[in-house]
Amino acid sequence: GAVVSQHPSWVICKSGTSVKIECRSLDFQATTMFWYRQFPKQSLMLMATSNEGSKATYEQGVEKDKFLINHASLTLSTLTVTSAHPEDSSFYICSARPGHQTYEQYFGPGTRLTVT
Amino acid sequence: AQTVTQSQPEMSVQEAETVTLSCTYDTSESDYYLFWYKQPPSRQMILVIRQEAYKQQNATENRFSVNFQKAAKSFSLKISDSQLGDAAMYFCAYASGGSQGNLIFGKGTKLSVKP
Repeated sequence: GAVVSQHPSWVICKSGTSVKIECRSLDFQATTMFWYRQFPKQSLMLMATSNEGSKATYEQGVEKDKFLINHASLTLSTLTVTSAHPEDSSFYICSARPGHQTYEQYFGPGTRLTVT
Repeated sequence: AQTVTQSQPEMSVQEAETVTLSCTYDTSESDYYLFWYKQPPSRQMILVIRQEAYKQQNATENRFSVNFQKAAKSFSLKISDSQLGDAAMYFCAYASGGSQGNLIFGKGTKLSVKP
C-alpha cells in the first residue's frame, strides 16, 4: 500500500518550452501533496504544498508563476514548469500525505528534468 | 525556525555489523514527528522509521531502531546486522505537529556497506 507514481520519470525539453509532471497516489487519497526539488548530492528542498481544491502554498524563493501546481483531485497533483531554462534542470520529487491523522509522507520515484 | 542537522556526510559499515547515524534538531515546539528516510541509488525515497515526540518509547522496525533523546534533541538511527541493500543516503526529517506535515530534511548521510 501507499504507492505514489510520477510521470514522466525522465524528460528532456528545449529552453523556453513548458513541461508537466504528474503525481498520483494509487491506493489512497492524499489530503496534501508536496513538491520537492533535489540537486545532485544534495537534500530535498520543499517547493510547495498543495491541498485538493486549494491554491498551492509556495516556499520562499519559489516562483509560483514559473512552477504551476494544480491539485485537481485527492489522487492527482501536477507541476508545470513554464518557460523552462537550463537552470531548471533538476530532479523533482512529489510526495503525498494520506490523511490528517498521520504525518507520514509517501514519495513518488521522481522526475529527472533536463532543459537544453 | 526548525532545523535538522546530520553531522556525518558519510559513514561506512561492514556487512553484518551495526552502525549508528546521528541526527540533531532544533525546535521550540512540543508537538512534532521525526522520521528517517532512505534514498538508494534509484532515488526513490523510502520511509524507514518514524517517532512521535510524545512517545517516550523508541521506535523499532525490524533491524532499524532509533534512540530518541527529547531533551537533547537527538534522534539517531541504529541499523543492526547491516546488509548490502542498506547502502544508501539516509535523511533525517522533522514535521511540526500543527502544520500540514511539511518535512524539514537534514543534509543526509551516505552509508556504504562493505562486504
